[in-house]
Amino acid sequence: DAGITQSPRHKVTETGTPVTLRCHQTENHRYMYWYRQDPGHGLRLIHYSYGVKDTDKGEVSDGYSVSRSKTEDFLLTLESATSSQTSVYFCAISEGLAGGLEQFFGPGTRLTVL
Amino acid sequence: RKEVEQDPGPFNVPEGATVAFNCTYSNSASQSFFWYRQDCRKEPKLLMSVYSSGNEDGRFTAQLNRASQYISLLIRDSKLSDSATYLCVVNMNNDMRFGAGTRLTVKP
Repeated sequence: DAGITQSPRHKVTETGTPVTLRCHQTENHRYMYWYRQDPGHGLRLIHYSYGVKDTDKGEVSDGYSVSRSKTEDFLLTLESATSSQTSVYFCAISEGLAGGLEQFFGPGTRLTVL
Repeated sequence: RKEVEQDPGPFNVPEGATVAFNCTYSNSASQSFFWYRQDCRKEPKLLMSVYSSGNEDGRFTAQLNRASQYISLLIRDSKLSDSATYLCVVNMNNDMRFGAGTRLTVKP
């Protein structure tokens, strides 16, 4: 299995609080992604990174920010959590950009916003 | 219309059965296609890529129909261990779009 870990694995928080999720990889892959998965929807891209300090928005980026200060770490921050951000969050990595290349996923973080 | 659509199922089949899933996509310029497998409360994992000429990996066969904009996955001789959700993934301009998944349960 690809070396990807996510922390925390589970979190319950209250509306309006800030939350930071961490993704850590040991594969030295250039590209890292944050997705959310909700019932009835496919995984939806929040943000992705194509290198240290290089990030871009995905399909559902509103309310989220990211940072990547080291190759191995990609952080997702909810500045002020809302109930609509209750979801399962997956981090993924790939050697190159998505086209034609496999993405490897972390184990996921279950976030509940009350 | 969703960009990638799948029948959510569930498909309940006996061991040994053959089962097929379809997935339609909206962007005719889509470049590459994949099937991922996701076990309950686990992360998705690549099952197979889908090539223009169709491809096979053991009991699994994937087909692409660009004219009708759909891909399919055929599973022969189903095993209990095939029970999972199968995600159709389409690469549109280096942007991976995921279907919501088709759930398969294989029963003894």
